[in-house]
Amino acid sequence: DAGVTQSPTHLIKTRGQHVTLRCSPISGHKSVSWYQQVLGQGPQFIFQYYEKEERGRGNFPDRFSARQFPNYSSELNVNALLLGDSALYLCASTTGTRTSYNEQFFGPGTRLTVL
Amino acid sequence: AQSVTQLGSHVSVSEGALVLLRCNYSSSVPPYLFWYVQYPNQGLQLLLKYTSAATLVKGINGFEAEFKKSETSFHLTKPSAHMSDAAEYFCAVSEGYGGSQGNLIFGKGTKLSVKP
Repeated sequence: DAGVTQSPTHLIKTRGQHVTLRCSPISGHKSVSWYQQVLGQGPQFIFQYYEKEERGRGNFPDRFSARQFPNYSSELNVNALLLGDSALYLCASTTGTRTSYNEQFFGPGTRLTVL
Repeated sequence: AQSVTQLGSHVSVSEGALVLLRCNYSSSVPPYLFWYVQYPNQGLQLLLKYTSAATLVKGINGFEAEFKKSETSFHLTKPSAHMSDAAEYFCAVSEGYGGSQGNLIFGKGTKLSVKP
């Protein structure tokens, strides 16, 4: 079975540009979460989506947005890129129910460099 | 608010020695606790989890952790380090049953080096 996939693997942008990162969850998983991992830090929660609805949002500016599609894949969009947005962006998928523990499975990440 | 503190950003052990990585948490609700491992240029892999069952949790690759509510700790141990254990380890907490399990709060990580 394929795990969580993310594209692209690496990306270089300049300040002020816009970027779209993509994530495909494990088959059967309905929930996707996004995390930002700055070099030398632990991942920070950005968004969670479940069946196309936003279920949670971390402390990130409105330049960050996301959406989930009917096939449960997801996009993370970042507008007006800043140097500080350079990070590894991780996507995690889970079955998503609230009634039991759901393990999150992480993808390999997209390395974004903003110059 | 939930939080995680990992003591020691870098731990170095000799091959065959005990590995001890420390994690303390803060949570106002019964927590779920996790340890993840990250190898260079890779995503996160779950080592083990505590979800309010047994307080001593066994994970993959010989790692285990003990949930101690009185000490608000969830330290990760392995009796004998192997060279392949060299990686970065993250402790994480989330709200338990009924909470938003998609919102993991991570510590800053501990980089484990293993000397031959």
